[in-house]
Amino acid sequence: NAGVTQTPKFQVLKTGQSMTLQCAQDMNHNSMYWYRQDPGMGLRLIYYSASEGTTDKGEVPNGYNVSRLNKREFSLRLESAAPSQTSVYFCASSELGQSYEQYFGPGTRLTVT
Amino acid sequence: AQKITQTQPGMFVQEKEAVTLDCTYDTSDPSYGLFWYKQPSSGEMIFLIYQGSYDQQNATEGRYSLNFQKARKSANLVISASQLGDSAMYFCAMRPYNNNDMRFGAGTRLTVKP
Repeated sequence: NAGVTQTPKFQVLKTGQSMTLQCAQDMNHNSMYWYRQDPGMGLRLIYYSASEGTTDKGEVPNGYNVSRLNKREFSLRLESAAPSQTSVYFCASSELGQSYEQYFGPGTRLTVT
Repeated sequence: AQKITQTQPGMFVQEKEAVTLDCTYDTSDPSYGLFWYKQPSSGEMIFLIYQGSYDQQNATEGRYSLNFQKARKSANLVISASQLGDSAMYFCAMRPYNNNDMRFGAGTRLTVKP
């Protein structure tokens, strides 16, 4: 069981470039999430997908798009990267239900210059 | 929208002693879950403990316990018998029962001294 995997681990982009962060989970979870973590701050929810076929905005969705490709995979796309999007990005998954904790991937460190 | 406040940017504790990390929250949702996560210097997020807003008893998981005071909207994490490996960032988080919008606090950096 790999749990939640993310690719790439590190990425440097120039302002205006686009890229897609990939996330996959092998725990058969219904719900998946994308967060960003800025220095000195907690995680902030960008988008989530409660179940396959649905996506919803979180706290900070501007500048991002997501795709729930299937039950296993949930990708995050930056169409035109900005320096303000420099951050560590975490993907997570969980079962449906209030008490279920989220399992996190190792994170992607993105720098936009 | 809900808000999580962790007022202690950094805490120190002697090895083998207990420590309490504070967390207060603000929400208008009547039903919610509270979570604590640990983030070591390696960066991964590790789930520690969960408390439901309707749970009558405080949650415990090994050396971790949650001091839940609903009327005061606080959910403090207590770590007993601290170990050097407990040195990490600790995040409090809350999610309403009716959606997946999880909000995190800014975190507390715990340092365990030998």
